[in-house]
Amino acid sequence: GAGVSQSPSNKVTEKGKDVELRCDPISGHTALYWYRQSLGQGLEFLIYFQGNSAPDKSGLPSDRFSAERTGGSVSTLTIQRTQQEDSAVYLCASSLVGVEKLFFGSGTQLSVL
Amino acid sequence: AQSVTQLGSHVSVSEGALVLLRCNYSSSVPPYLFWYVQYPNQGLQLLLKYTSAATLVKGINGFEAEFKKSETSFHLTKPSAHMSDAAEYFCAVSEAGNTGKLIFGQGTTLQVKP
Repeated sequence: GAGVSQSPSNKVTEKGKDVELRCDPISGHTALYWYRQSLGQGLEFLIYFQGNSAPDKSGLPSDRFSAERTGGSVSTLTIQRTQQEDSAVYLCASSLVGVEKLFFGSGTQLSVL
Repeated sequence: AQSVTQLGSHVSVSEGALVLLRCNYSSSVPPYLFWYVQYPNQGLQLLLKYTSAATLVKGINGFEAEFKKSETSFHLTKPSAHMSDAAEYFCAVSEAGNTGKLIFGQGTTLQVKP
């Protein structure tokens, strides 16, 4: 595709349910990043992939959060047993190599009721 | 560990006035520095970057930023604001070497008044 695609664009879920957020990076981009943007906050780093490996997952808030990337392409961020504080916009970005230029998707707005 | 501080969560200027958005960073190694912009209902896009070449960096839409090591700053400026510049601006830092993660500041919302 022409850009980074994220789905769904909006997700409303009940507290305690699991959710999966999907990111399709730009074709050929080896690096993939997940960030969280909460109201009034900056972008909080969650995890970074180089290919299918995650050299840095230091930003995942708890063990309820996990992410994987398959085929060096699509990535899924999974949040188990969602809590209200998980409500935020989850942003995915990809780059050809490293951090010199990240291309961001439009994000998934997650609302936990 | 790196960190970024953006001074002022909201900045308001009149159309035609100077835009100055402040960013200070902390890094134990020479940093790469970035400004990203997020227009309403759009994704973030790169405005400009410093990666250890010229200290004065020019970006898109007439914006520029100057890396000042002595002040650990990377402030964003534009001589004359346009209404279309209204957006949220994020400063970010990464350790030199182009690897790993990009750390973002809290963001500054720029309002441009007619």
